[in-house]
Amino acid sequence: ETGVTQSPTHLIKTRGQQVTLRCSSQSGHNTVSWYQQALGQGPQFIFQYYREEENGRGNFPPRFSGLQFPNYSSELNVNALELDDSALYLCASSPALTNTEAFFGQGTRLTVV
Amino acid sequence: KNEVEQSPQNLTAQEGEFITINCSYSVGISALHWLQQHPGGGIVSLFMLSSGKKKHGRLIATINIQEKHSSLHITASHPRDSAVYICAVEPGGATNKLIFGTGTLLAVQP
Repeated sequence: ETGVTQSPTHLIKTRGQQVTLRCSSQSGHNTVSWYQQALGQGPQFIFQYYREEENGRGNFPPRFSGLQFPNYSSELNVNALELDDSALYLCASSPALTNTEAFFGQGTRLTVV
Repeated sequence: KNEVEQSPQNLTAQEGEFITINCSYSVGISALHWLQQHPGGGIVSLFMLSSGKKKHGRLIATINIQEKHSSLHITASHPRDSAVYICAVEPGGATNKLIFGTGTLLAVQP
């Protein structure tokens, strides 16, 4: 158990819809990163939040957005879902910005039909 | 070409064998992570290292910064070691984002 929980665990959405995924970070961790893992691939960095501010973004379009709350939990929002958005979405929390171990949640498996 | 390459992609071993998984990277890094992913998705951190060698139980991780290469060794492998092992690098800078390899699928047969 890493202390990082994600919800929901599985989700099916229709193309064009919007989705919100949630991540509760480990106690004391102020940094949350989101990753997208397509089937058979390694995770790809979406963005990172540090103390409620976005702190770095990967090569994802603006319809991928996020939030971090004062308790350091986080949300990932995806608008106008596309079939290629089907993937495992992972969040990872860490106690600092650099050179620290990352603690991953179990992931949310999103299927877009 | 991916910034992080792992080999082999797939590995089948007999219980008790010594296993080595290799990782090469092409970017400057502040740290390298070895992670384990079981079916169902959850990822567990095994090691984070920036130099030398670390050991935890039957697992050993080494890194050569000059050669941009790391290895993960499993001694006396066991079927419960079966999982995907992923190498990820932390390129440094203002974030601790990770750049992942595609993983090595390990199956240890009894």
